[in-house]
Amino acid sequence: QKEVEQDPGPLSVPEGAIVSLNCTYSNSAFQYFMWYRQYSRKGPELLMYTYSSGNKEDGRFTAQVDKSSKYISLFIRDSQPSDSATYLCAMSWGANSKLTFGKGITLSVRP
Amino acid sequence: EAQVTQNPRYLITVTGKKLTVTCSQNMNHEYMSWYRQDPGLGLRQIYYSMNVEVTDKGDVPEGYKVSRKEKRNFPLILESPSPNQTSLYFCASSGGPSNQPQHFGDGTRLSIL
Repeated sequence: QKEVEQDPGPLSVPEGAIVSLNCTYSNSAFQYFMWYRQYSRKGPELLMYTYSSGNKEDGRFTAQVDKSSKYISLFIRDSQPSDSATYLCAMSWGANSKLTFGKGITLSVRP
Repeated sequence: EAQVTQNPRYLITVTGKKLTVTCSQNMNHEYMSWYRQDPGLGLRQIYYSMNVEVTDKGDVPEGYKVSRKEKRNFPLILESPSPNQTSLYFCASSGGPSNQPQHFGDGTRLSIL
């Protein structure tokens, strides 16, 4: 079982839809969770960062962590064509651990 | 503007011809890292550096070298490139420990013929 699994996609939704992106993980020691957004021909940029369990909201984006189920989610409300990108989850445990990334899912929001 | 700068952005070269991809950050970050991104495999760490003169192997270090002589620079060296090193490469840096969010460059697309 891979440490971090992410739905492979791709995913295509109409503008205005609510998007749910998910990752599952196997290492119960993970406690730092991130979502990165990567536009074509650009590097990943940090979108959301959460520590331990719970929800975090930033505008149209909500990150959710369920450590008991080893499951994290990113919700995008009122999706826009500008949200079309690849989304990668990443997680880590202690101060000297590396980031472990999901493989990414490509989202396309149709006007 | 805070940024990680990689050069070149694109390079086509031939097997065996040594090349260097430069990476520079202007955020005074201690931690720097190199990744390669391949379809179906995601981001994989090649090498990382906790600070000046401190480097260590990541998950896929074979065929690569790095150095960290200055805090801001972390070049990636391919001494004898081979076609299986054709990939999209990213340099990243972080102001905190290695497990904290990283700031990425815009990537270098290498094609080894």
